[in-house]
Amino acid sequence: NAGVTQTPKFQVLKTGQSMTLQCAQDMNHNSMYWYRQDPGMGLRLIYYSASEGTTDKGEVPNGYNVSRLNKREFSLRLESAAPSQTSVYFCASSEAGGANTEAFFGQGTRLTVV
Amino acid sequence: TQLLEQSPQFLSIQEGENLTVYCNSSSVFSSLQWYRQEPGEGPVLLVTVVTGGEVKKLKRLTFQFGDARKDSSLHITAAQTGDTGLYLCAHRGSGTYKYIFGTGTRLKVLA
Repeated sequence: NAGVTQTPKFQVLKTGQSMTLQCAQDMNHNSMYWYRQDPGMGLRLIYYSASEGTTDKGEVPNGYNVSRLNKREFSLRLESAAPSQTSVYFCASSEAGGANTEAFFGQGTRLTVV
Repeated sequence: TQLLEQSPQFLSIQEGENLTVYCNSSSVFSSLQWYRQEPGEGPVLLVTVVTGGEVKKLKRLTFQFGDARKDSSLHITAAQTGDTGLYLCAHRGSGTYKYIFGTGTRLKVLA
């Protein structure tokens, strides 16, 4: 099973450029998430989609937009990249369930903004 | 936002040693999850603890949920190099679907 697939795996952008990070899951999960991971800060939630057709801001949404294209796909867009957005980005998905529900993660996208 | 503080932030030990890492909060949780993240990979769920005082064992890993459900610990017995990674505690809000992660403990086990 592919699980959660993210593309690209690596990207270098110049300040001010835009790009979209793609995420797809094949587990028929309702909920999808975008996190960024920076040294010493664990995982911080950027945006999430509790179900198809809905999106909500997380802890650090500024500078990002998302689209829940369908149940499988959830994309993250940087409209004008800044060096502060240099990070590793993870997409995750889960069933709708309760607090015990497991999150499944992709392998991450390492983004450098110069 | 419920804050999950993990300690220590970094830990480097020799193979065969024991260690404990902690996840603390001022909030009460219905449950807590522990994930392990290996270099270049996404986090993978190890265990979920749901009852105050609960102890769960996964081979050499022992997870405990505090009686007051505000904290949790992970104890590794006789660490192996394969235990190297980032250990994250997390909580999912039952009404919001959001997963909030702790700050993480980066463990390196030396041969």
